[in-house]
Amino acid sequence: ILNVEQSPQSLHVQEGDSTNFTCSFPSSNFYALHWYRWETAKSPEALFVMTLNGDEKKKGRISATLNTKEGYSYLYIKGSQPEDSATYLCARGYSTLTFGKGTMLLVSP
Amino acid sequence: GAVVSQHPSWVICKSGTSVKIECRSLDFQATTMFWYRQFPKQSLMLMATSNEGSKATYEQGVEKDKFLINHASLTLSTLTVTSAHPEDSSFYICSAQIARESETQYFGPGTRLLVL
Repeated sequence: ILNVEQSPQSLHVQEGDSTNFTCSFPSSNFYALHWYRWETAKSPEALFVMTLNGDEKKKGRISATLNTKEGYSYLYIKGSQPEDSATYLCARGYSTLTFGKGTMLLVSP
Repeated sequence: GAVVSQHPSWVICKSGTSVKIECRSLDFQATTMFWYRQFPKQSLMLMATSNEGSKATYEQGVEKDKFLINHASLTLSTLTVTSAHPEDSSFYICSAQIARESETQYFGPGTRLLVL
């Protein structure tokens, strides 16, 4: 993998569903993996920064895992709510961030 | 905490004019600020990195004479698109890093530029 790839591109779930997305990245020269939540017309909000292989982080109903050896990270949302609707971005790097195109999540009531 | 503002939120200008975009860290001092650009259906692409009081470092393919960056203080960075052309129409967004030890970048809400 040469770039940061995110899948799926978009996702539509019902309120209460749990969901997850994938971020794949080059595993060589890894420093950190960032997850952001970006609501329309707002600033991207930092969710997690993970640096160590096997890292797991949690913030409320949102959690993330990191596998630096195989170059992927998962973001999980438990019991999705309409307010979780946003684009979720991942980025690799320290100061110089390389972003994926994002996963657009829509949660219907 | 860690709020970054950006002004203007959108701008329409004629081809050949220059446009200045401001990025401010409102409640912290930013040692480093970053400027990104996003074209439709593409990812955020880093344009340049700036440290207060020093020249910006531009990414490959970004013209430094066209995209002038000034980081005059620890709370303000400006991006000036000089002699803008329709192909410069894009979404420009800045971010700020609190300290060298912190990996987190705090983003502004972005500026939509349309060059006619």
